[in-house]
Amino acid sequence: DAGVTQSPTHLIKTRGQHVTLRCSPISGHKSVSWYQQVLGQGPQFIFQYYEKEERGRGNFPDRFSARQFPNYSSELNVNALLLGDSALYLCASSLGGFSNQPQHFGDGTRLSIL
Amino acid sequence: DQQVKQNSPSLSVQEGRISILNCDYTNSMFDYFLWYKKYPAEGPTFLISISSIKDKNEDGRFTVFLNKSAKHLSLHIVPSQPGDSAVYFCAASAVPWDKIIFGKGTRLHILP
Repeated sequence: DAGVTQSPTHLIKTRGQHVTLRCSPISGHKSVSWYQQVLGQGPQFIFQYYEKEERGRGNFPDRFSARQFPNYSSELNVNALLLGDSALYLCASSLGGFSNQPQHFGDGTRLSIL
Repeated sequence: DQQVKQNSPSLSVQEGRISILNCDYTNSMFDYFLWYKKYPAEGPTFLISISSIKDKNEDGRFTVFLNKSAKHLSLHIVPSQPGDSAVYFCAASAVPWDKIIFGKGTRLHILP
């Protein structure tokens, strides 16, 4: 079975640009979460979606947005990129609801802002 | 404001001995605690979890201990193996798998 897949794996952008990151969850998983991991820190929660609805949002500015599609894949959008947005962006999927099954992470998208 | 703290950035342990990784948390609303392991260029991999109704959970070589009154948990790996060399993240949430808060991680080196 395929795990969580994220695209692209690497991306270079300049300040002020916009970026879209994509995530395909494990088959059967209905919940997708996004995390930002900067160097030397742990993953920081950005968003969680379940059944196409936002279930949680971390402490990130409105430049960050996301959505989940009917096939449960998800996109993370970041507008007006800043140097500080350079990070590894991780997507995790889980069955969702009140399931006790764990979240599984993809390998991430490495975003570099010049 | 760090709600999940891993105060040891790195730890070196001899192969075959016990590795003990520690974690403290501040939010008393946390009820679910997890450990993830991360190799370079890969996403974190779930290792083991514990809910606040338990004080110990075991899975093979991995055991997690929870002390709710001290807001402290630890991960024990015994015996430690070379493949255990990785970064270990402690994480917590108030509801299973919702808004998981991660610590900064501890890099574990298993020495031959």
